[in-house]
Amino acid sequence: DGGITQSPKYLFRKEGQNVTLSCEQNLNHDAMYWYRQDPGQGLRLIYYSQIVNDFQKGDIAEGYSVSREKKESFPLTVTSAQKNPTAFYLCASSISLAGGHNEQFFGPGTRLTVL
Amino acid sequence: RKEVEQDPGPFNVPEGATVAFNCTYSNSASQSFFWYRQDCRKEPKLLMSVYSSGNEDGRFTAQLNRASQYISLLIRDSKLSDSATYLCVVNGRGSYIPTFGRGTSLIVHP
Repeated sequence: DGGITQSPKYLFRKEGQNVTLSCEQNLNHDAMYWYRQDPGQGLRLIYYSQIVNDFQKGDIAEGYSVSREKKESFPLTVTSAQKNPTAFYLCASSISLAGGHNEQFFGPGTRLTVL
Repeated sequence: RKEVEQDPGPFNVPEGATVAFNCTYSNSASQSFFWYRQDCRKEPKLLMSVYSSGNEDGRFTAQLNRASQYISLLIRDSKLSDSATYLCVVNGRGSYIPTFGRGTSLIVHP
């Protein structure tokens, strides 16, 4: 059963801590993305990756870091430098970034709350 | 002008009604267009891709108007289960990075 998974579903962090959100896909997709969604807001792009060992900053990359060591995995670290990290984090993948092949499929999301 | 704009609504309609949403985009070079559905506190799910010739899937019809730079979603015979937020997605900024609108909220009532 192919799909995209995220863990944990809920995460609580103390101020000053770094946390890592997991994202795994077995769809054999080249492209992966991280978004942040705040209540009543649209999705904002944090980072994206077109291929293994390559990733690019999105619109709101400050305070976040990623890695893409394997095709299946694209973890996101929320660092202490991110001043307002409480949000719903969504990971997505698509076959590629090329036009006509970038329908995205989303994981179930991680709700991060800073205490 | 924002890259992708949607009326946030909410659109409040009775069961059985027909409702339509529009989404405007600013990048005339955009190539790919999609509608996603997002339920409360859930992830977005692909509803339809939008093709130049328009496309239909059951009660849902999507159309693209390149001249006026908008896409539309028409829902016929609305069901209670259609209540959700509908997100418009356009690839933009001169690349293929998808850009999301903020979504249009639909509430279907009995």
